Amino acid sequence: EADIYQTPRYLVIGTGKKITLECSQTMGHDKMYWYQQDPGMELHLIHYSYGVNSTEKGDLSSESTVSRIRTEHFPLTLESARPSHTSQYLCASSESISLFFGPGTRLTVL
Amino acid sequence: TQLLEQSPQFLSIQEGENLTVYCNSSSVFSSLQWYRQEPGEGPVLLVTVVTGGEVKKLKRLTFQFGDARKDSSLHITAAQTGDTGLYLCAGEISTYKYIFGTGTRLKVLA
Repeated sequence: EADIYQTPRYLVIGTGKKITLECSQTMGHDKMYWYQQDPGMELHLIHYSYGVNSTEKGDLSSESTVSRIRTEHFPLTLESARPSHTSQYLCASSESISLFFGPGTRLTVL
Repeated sequence: TQLLEQSPQFLSIQEGENLTVYCNSSSVFSSLQWYRQEPGEGPVLLVTVVTGGEVKKLKRLTFQFGDARKDSSLHITAAQTGDTGLYLCAGEISTYKYIFGTGTRLKVLA
C-alpha cells in the first residue's frame, strides 16, 4: 500500500541529545519535504529535496540537517536538541503539485 | 516575506450552518491547495486549483481560486460535526515549493 511513514510518533528527550526523525514513503515520489508546526498553527518549511543527493534549506531557519541517499528515505537530524526545538515535525512527499503528509513526530525537549 | 493570511482564525458554528473561509496574499501562485488537519495527524489534501477563477466542488465543499491567482475561498454548505478540524491553504510560490496559510480552526457543534 502506497503511504508515507514517520517514526517515532512521539519523542521526549533531554537537552543536548542527538536525535534522528525518520521519514519513508513507498510511492516513489522524487520530492520530499520537512515542515515544522506548532500546535494548531501554520506549517513552516525547514528542508526539501527534489531527488537523491539533493537537499535545500527552507524558509524557516533550522539547526537540523537532512540527507537523501535513497528516494524513499528522508531523515532529519538534530545534533544537539534544545527546548526551542519542541514542536511537531511533518514529513511530506510529492510527485506533482499536491503534497502527501505523514502523521508527524511530536518532539518535546526538556 | 510572502504571507498567506487566512480568515477567520477561529470559527465555531452549529451543525447545518454555512460558512466561508478565506485565504489571501499579495503574491501570485501557480497553484493553490486546501488541506484539513485533525489533531495529532498530518494535513490531508482536499483540493488543488490551478486556473484563475476556477471553481471546484467536493460534495458540500466549494473551492474558488481568485481571478488573479492571489486568493482563494472555501465554502461549506450545511456543516456537519465531521467537518471539524484545522483548514490550511497552501500556495505554490515556485516550482514544487509551497507556503502555508495561517490556518482556520473550525468547530461544528451538534
